[in-house]
Amino acid sequence: QKEVEQNSGPLSVPEGAIASLNCTYSDRVSQSFFWYRQYSGKSPELIMSIYSNGDKEDGRFTAQLNKASQYVSLLIRDSQPSDSATYLCAARDMEYGNKLVFGAGTILRVKS
Amino acid sequence: GAVVSQHPSRVICKSGTSVKIECRSLDFQATTMFWYRQFPKKSLMLMATSNEGSKATYEQGVEKDKFLINHASLTLSTLTVTSAHPEDSSFYICSAFPTGALNQPQHFGDGTRLSIL
Repeated sequence: QKEVEQNSGPLSVPEGAIASLNCTYSDRVSQSFFWYRQYSGKSPELIMSIYSNGDKEDGRFTAQLNKASQYVSLLIRDSQPSDSATYLCAARDMEYGNKLVFGAGTILRVKS
Repeated sequence: GAVVSQHPSRVICKSGTSVKIECRSLDFQATTMFWYRQFPKKSLMLMATSNEGSKATYEQGVEKDKFLINHASLTLSTLTVTSAHPEDSSFYICSAFPTGALNQPQHFGDGTRLSIL
């Protein structure tokens, strides 16, 4: 069983600041990584996917992957109060039916 | 983009009732779908992997006879909570990714909030 670990937070940042969310995973088999955002009472929605080492940018979001160090991060630039949510890091478990292994999630609070 | 539809969005029923939740992939075929449960302020917990045309794979500690899964077509999986009790009250969410697209992300349905009185 692969493990994905996140700091549960809450991470509090002021509006307009950069929010940095981190995730580590315990196994080198996983090749696909995903960040989901979940608002309270709602289902997760995909924010970013990343498969290769390096950075991937999409609007205000940048995902970073370092396979040698086994960590994935998500940067949110110009944070907005609407970004306040729980962010879930997930790694695909290629050995067990391609299911996703989720971290416990990091609560982000953006204060205006 | 890939859309997953889940129905119903909310169910309130009496203890002992069986409840069926449907999960449909609207614009893609999904050989595999996943069912999760989430309690308030807790993380997602994978219950089972639903496989089209074969038996579901249940995670450790999940009762197969309690949570019946049927994946009869490439676009539909159902979860039936049999003889539901108050402790089964939770947020149930399904997800899927397109068949053969191993690197594609899972797309989630909107979830079903189940309340057993």
